Amino acid sequence: DQQVKQNSPSLSVQEGRISILNCDYTNSMFDYFLWYKKYPAEGPTFLISISSIKDKNEDGRFTVFLNKSAKHLSLHIVPSQPGDSAVYFCAATFRGGSNYKLTFGKGTLLTVNP
Amino acid sequence: GAGVSQTPSNKVTEKGKYVELRCDPISGHTALYWYRQSLGQGPEFLIYFQGTGAADDSGLPNDRFFAVRPEGSVSTLKIQRTERGDSAVYLCASSQVIYNEQFFGPGTRLTVL
Repeated sequence: DQQVKQNSPSLSVQEGRISILNCDYTNSMFDYFLWYKKYPAEGPTFLISISSIKDKNEDGRFTVFLNKSAKHLSLHIVPSQPGDSAVYFCAATFRGGSNYKLTFGKGTLLTVNP
Repeated sequence: GAGVSQTPSNKVTEKGKYVELRCDPISGHTALYWYRQSLGQGPEFLIYFQGTGAADDSGLPNDRFFAVRPEGSVSTLKIQRTERGDSAVYLCASSQVIYNEQFFGPGTRLTVL
């Protein structure tokens, strides 16, 4: 049973436009959420995170929104750049647990066209 | 500075053989995680070390899988009697304390023929 779901395997946007990547989760115990970016043949790279006590976190061109009641989060990239083309993974964890293991979605391949 | 490194980057082996995958975490990071990423999937948790001890090995699929971290730094993931279904990218991550972000290595791509 997938506890973190990214229902869009791929997304294509034009350079300069907004990219919106979505993620849903089912486990109510999750209280911390992260987005990772992955290029081919590289490990995932941390992008941005959000605690469940917040509904928005912003870092430059990247903003993550959290809707706890809907168990939904999204990553907004504005403006999108060709270098943003990569696989984006949504991940979640329960920080009250004994460790910080991450549960990942299957990823969304973002392609930003020049 | 140096990130997480993993060796080898690629490993091809035959069904039934034994393999070892190595992870060098970022210096000073006490928490170390192993994940496995199968084709078309996200990374899946295998095992977590805090220092030298395996604090959570609930993600190991069966007893053919074992991992050690004897001195609290380098970790080795060991797979006995490999099966074709073990083929995946094995990722290692480390963090400074358990609540900080995890830094991932490039992974080891294991192919079992």
